Amino acid sequence: EAAVTQSPRNKVAVTGGKVTLSCNQTNNHNNMYWYRQDTGHGLRLIHYSYGAGSTEKGDIPDGYKASRPSQENFSLILELATPSQTSVYFCASGDTGDGDTQYFGPGTRLLVL
Amino acid sequence: GEQVEQRPPHLSVREGDSAVITCTYTDPNSYYFFWYKQEPGASLQLLMKVFSSTEINEGQGFTVLLNKKDKRLSLNLTAAHPGDSAAYFCAVSASSNTNKVVFGTGTRLQVLP
Repeated sequence: EAAVTQSPRNKVAVTGGKVTLSCNQTNNHNNMYWYRQDTGHGLRLIHYSYGAGSTEKGDIPDGYKASRPSQENFSLILELATPSQTSVYFCASGDTGDGDTQYFGPGTRLLVL
Repeated sequence: GEQVEQRPPHLSVREGDSAVITCTYTDPNSYYFFWYKQEPGASLQLLMKVFSSTEINEGQGFTVLLNKKDKRLSLNLTAAHPGDSAAYFCAVSASSNTNKVVFGTGTRLQVLP
């Protein structure tokens, strides 16, 4: 079974502060993704990666950076957090050879005050 | 690019009734199709993955239909029970050569006893 973990699971941050969300996968998948989920918007893709060292912009990258230092780890960085970034963030991993079936982590609930 | 429209956004049925959720997509080259289930406060779980070569796929208590001519994907829960209450998301892989999966906006299903 695919295994994707995220930390922290819950985070309260202050406006202007830096937030780092971490994701780890043990599936040996090449691709990893960061989404945010908000009521009325479904899942929106922020950044994704094809492998270690690569990051690509998704549909809503503004205000976010990503880092993929290894096959297993993919981080999402909010350099200057804003209240509009309050959301639930999901990480996923997938492999192109598997039709990019994506397996999701448990999510991180972020509140920016 | 690929666009996926999911209907209805909310659905309420009685226990034992069927529930149908439909997604339409725009890219005729779409190759892989997915249904995910998200229980309240939880992550997305893969329900079923279907390929463009198969039009009818049966799971435990549900059927997935793919109509390539109309570019329509549907999830039919037969004899719904309260444990089916969740949000359901379709997803479409734009083509076999890309890593981009496009998600529908979700359907919140409530099964009443």
